[in-house]
Amino acid sequence: SQQGEEDPQALSIQEGENATMNCSYKTSINNLQWYRQNSGRGLVHLILIRSNEREKHSGRLRVTLDTSKKSSSLLITASRAADTASYFCATVPFSGNTPLVFGKGTRLSVIA
Amino acid sequence: EADIYQTPRYLVIGTGKKITLECSQTMGHDKMYWYQQDPGMELHLIHYSYGVNSTEKGDLSSESTVSRIRTEHFPLTLESARPSHTSQYLCASSPTGSGVGAKNIQYFGAGTRLSVL
Repeated sequence: SQQGEEDPQALSIQEGENATMNCSYKTSINNLQWYRQNSGRGLVHLILIRSNEREKHSGRLRVTLDTSKKSSSLLITASRAADTASYFCATVPFSGNTPLVFGKGTRLSVIA
Repeated sequence: EADIYQTPRYLVIGTGKKITLECSQTMGHDKMYWYQQDPGMELHLIHYSYGVNSTEKGDLSSESTVSRIRTEHFPLTLESARPSHTSQYLCASSPTGSGVGAKNIQYFGAGTRLSVL
């Protein structure tokens, strides 16, 4: 399987703390994306980082990419109860013309 | 919210029934996808399409079929539903584009939660 792995599988933190999720993947990539899924809903795209980028920011989100280790991390700063959701990484293989490969997800609970 | 719609949102049916899950998008995307996801678990790609009259099977073996007669419409059909089909089904679409510059960002519908008794 080409699926990536998120780590940890589940994470529980207090409101105001930072949350860090990690993703590892197996093949060369064009880009890596992070998605969020609220319970019982579809996924929503959060941020994309290209293979030639090392770090990207969007609001309270910070994504890093290390292509030599085939890994990425998503940091959510100053977390809020509304950040409670599952977070998935997804990779676009280098050819760019095959479907996204999703990881298994990290379930984040932010306690008020 | 993305302009991609799935109906019904919830469906409870008996074993052996034929069902069609509908998915439509108004963004003009050429690429569309169907995923199966058990609650809180990983997504499994079951079918995808890169344009009209083009369909491919995904990584997960599935007893469902799809069709793509119009760009905006990508229905999923189960000929004979079984309890093992109980799951959430997610439809997604992404813009045209391939090669090194492709982003392949996917836009998801809200999903159909199917229960087969």
